[in-house]
Amino acid sequence: DIHMTQSPSSLSASVGDKVTITCRASQSIGNYVNWYQHKPGKAPNLLIYGASTLHTGVPSRFSGSGSGTDFTLTINSLQPEDLASYYCQQTFSRVRAFGQGTKVEIK
Amino acid sequence: QMDLVESGGGVVQPGRSLRLSCVASGSTFSYYGIYWVRQAPGKGLEWAAGISKDGTKQYYGESVKGRFTLSRDNSKNTVYLEINSLGANDTAVYYCAREFWDFTSTDYYYYMDVWGKGTTVTVSS
Repeated sequence: DIHMTQSPSSLSASVGDKVTITCRASQSIGNYVNWYQHKPGKAPNLLIYGASTLHTGVPSRFSGSGSGTDFTLTINSLQPEDLASYYCQQTFSRVRAFGQGTKVEIK
Repeated sequence: QMDLVESGGGVVQPGRSLRLSCVASGSTFSYYGIYWVRQAPGKGLEWAAGISKDGTKQYYGESVKGRFTLSRDNSKNTVYLEINSLGANDTAVYYCAREFWDFTSTDYYYYMDVWGKGTTVTVSS
């Protein structure tokens, strides 16, 4: 199975900051990576698919990049409503593993 | 737009079995694969299992293989997740989600775009 290693596990940033979350795959997976936002008590929300394509309705301050084994989710100008956990997911194989998650807190 | 509703969760004794259901409405159910994702208390999301749109293929994560069984009845717009030999580490919120896709000139990109609200399974004696 393909494993996804995400870092950091948590971070604290101020409103307006630029936040970067990284994800590393255990083997090359092209650009078959999705990113999700998950708020407590709610269902997860798709942010980005294909490593860099913004899903419909997602604010443009979210962006994704990477290919092969290394991927990045960037939040430009962090907003209070971005308080959540963020997960990468690979779709290269049928067992669609998530990374361990990154909890984003607002200072 | 599709809606998904999970049911079947509850408090279950260790070693027992449980069947969760995911019922869809609002769109053609048989077009889509369905996944189950779970989140244990204080832990991250775990992709548990997936089933193809026609039900002929099932895929399982390493931690649940051999204990989880997926099936679907497209005439009832329902996917079933059977969990056997429940243990404490199966305590979690279980979400079902639709697999959708985008097609570029060269590739299909798959993602989960519609999710249910989740059903909670608590394994306790």
